[in-house]
Amino acid sequence: GAGVSQSPRYKVAKRGQDVALRCDPISGHVSLFWYQQALGQGPEFLTYFQNEAQLDKSGLPSDRFFAERPEGSVSTLKIQRTQQEDSAVYLCASSLVLGGGPGELFFGEGSRLTVL
Amino acid sequence: AQSVAQPEDQVNVAEGNPLTVKCTYSVSGNPYLFWYVQYPNRGLQFLLKYITGDNLVKGSYGFEAEFNKSQTSFHLKKPSALVSDSALYFCAVRDGDNFNKFYFGSGTKLNVKP
Repeated sequence: GAGVSQSPRYKVAKRGQDVALRCDPISGHVSLFWYQQALGQGPEFLTYFQNEAQLDKSGLPSDRFFAERPEGSVSTLKIQRTQQEDSAVYLCASSLVLGGGPGELFFGEGSRLTVL
Repeated sequence: AQSVAQPEDQVNVAEGNPLTVKCTYSVSGNPYLFWYVQYPNRGLQFLLKYITGDNLVKGSYGFEAEFNKSQTSFHLKKPSALVSDSALYFCAVRDGDNFNKFYFGSGTKLNVKP
C-alpha cells in the first residue's frame, strides 16, 4: 500500500481482556518495528522483525506481549490479560533497508489502546 | 547507553520568526540522527536525517537541522515559522551498535502564534 496501515485506530478493552493490533507495512519493506508511545512521551521500542524473523524483542515489557509476522508482511501485536498500564498508542513502522539501515522509518497512525 | 534529550517541553514562537527546537544525543559509534513531526492523532512523519557529510541538512517543509559533533547536538531550525508548523517534534538517534533500535526523545511541543 501507499503507507503503513494500522487497525484498529482505537480500542477500548476491559482489564483482563486480550487484544490484537494489526499492522500492514509498506509493500516490500523488509524491516518492521513496533513502538509503544505513552501519553506525553516519545515512542519506545518494543520489537523488530526482518521479514518473518523476530530478531529483537527486548523491548516487550512482559510475557503478556507477543508479536508475529508469519509471512513477512502483515504483523500482529497481541497483548494478553490487558492491564491499565498497557494503555498507550502502539505505533508500527516499516523500513526498506535491513535493520532500518541509515534510512528513516515510515510510521502508521497508531492504535490507541485504552484499558479500563 | 544510547539516549536523546530534548530539554524543552514546549517552544513558543511568533509566526514569521525563526524557530529552534533543541536536541542532544549520546550514542556509541557514528550517530544517525533524525527529526520527526507528529500532528494530533497521527503517526510520526519524517522530516530530515543526518547520516554523514554536510553538517547542515535540509528537509521537508523548509526545516533544516545542524549537526554539531563537539556539542553532540542536532537542533532543528526554520528561518520563518508558520502557524501550521505547530505540532509535536521528536528527535531520534539510531543505535550505532544495534541497528534495530531508534531512540526517541520525549518530544517538544511547538506553538506558533499568529
